[in-house]
Amino acid sequence: DVKVTQSSRYLVKRTGEKVFLECVQDMDHENMFWYRQDPGLGLRLIYFSYDVKMKEKGDIPEGYSVSREKKERFSLILESASTNQTSMYLCASSFNSYGYTFGSGTRLTVV
Amino acid sequence: KNEVEQSPQNLTAQEGEFITINCSYSVGISALHWLQQHPGGGIVSLFMLSSGKKKHGRLIATINIQEKHSSLHITASHPRDSAVYICAVSPNTGNQFYFGTGTSLTVIP
Repeated sequence: DVKVTQSSRYLVKRTGEKVFLECVQDMDHENMFWYRQDPGLGLRLIYFSYDVKMKEKGDIPEGYSVSREKKERFSLILESASTNQTSMYLCASSFNSYGYTFGSGTRLTVV
Repeated sequence: KNEVEQSPQNLTAQEGEFITINCSYSVGISALHWLQQHPGGGIVSLFMLSSGKKKHGRLIATINIQEKHSSLHITASHPRDSAVYICAVSPNTGNQFYFGTGTSLTVIP
């Protein structure tokens, strides 16, 4: 089974902290994605990557950055966390456009 | 602009009822996906289809490519079916998905 593992299920951080959300996949997928999910807004794409050291902005990249130093790992970075970044964050990976595998999500609360 | 629209947003049903969730999309697609998200976050893929109909247990998914519409049906609904159901499409170009905002289903015993 393809596995996408997110390092934390629940995270509480203070305003202004630098936050790292880690995502690791074990199926040698080229494509990796970070989404945030908010009630009434659905899944919104923050950043994605088609290859190592490559990144593309999604629909809502402001306040976030990403890192992909190795193929299996895609990190989402909140440079200075703010309360409006309180959300559920979901990582996904795919081999092509036909199928995604999602991680189980990280619920981040910024206080 | 939403490429994928789902209805209804919320749905409450009695155990045993037949349930239908609808999805309409506006782009050319290579495939449509139905996803399920239980409370607590993780998303699992239920179906991927590009034509016709698929069935898995009590779940049935249909798609009409000409009308750009898909439905997810649940027969003999059960409280464990309570979840958010999300429609997503793979457009003809690019590797991204477009997601609907989800349908929150609650099945009451």
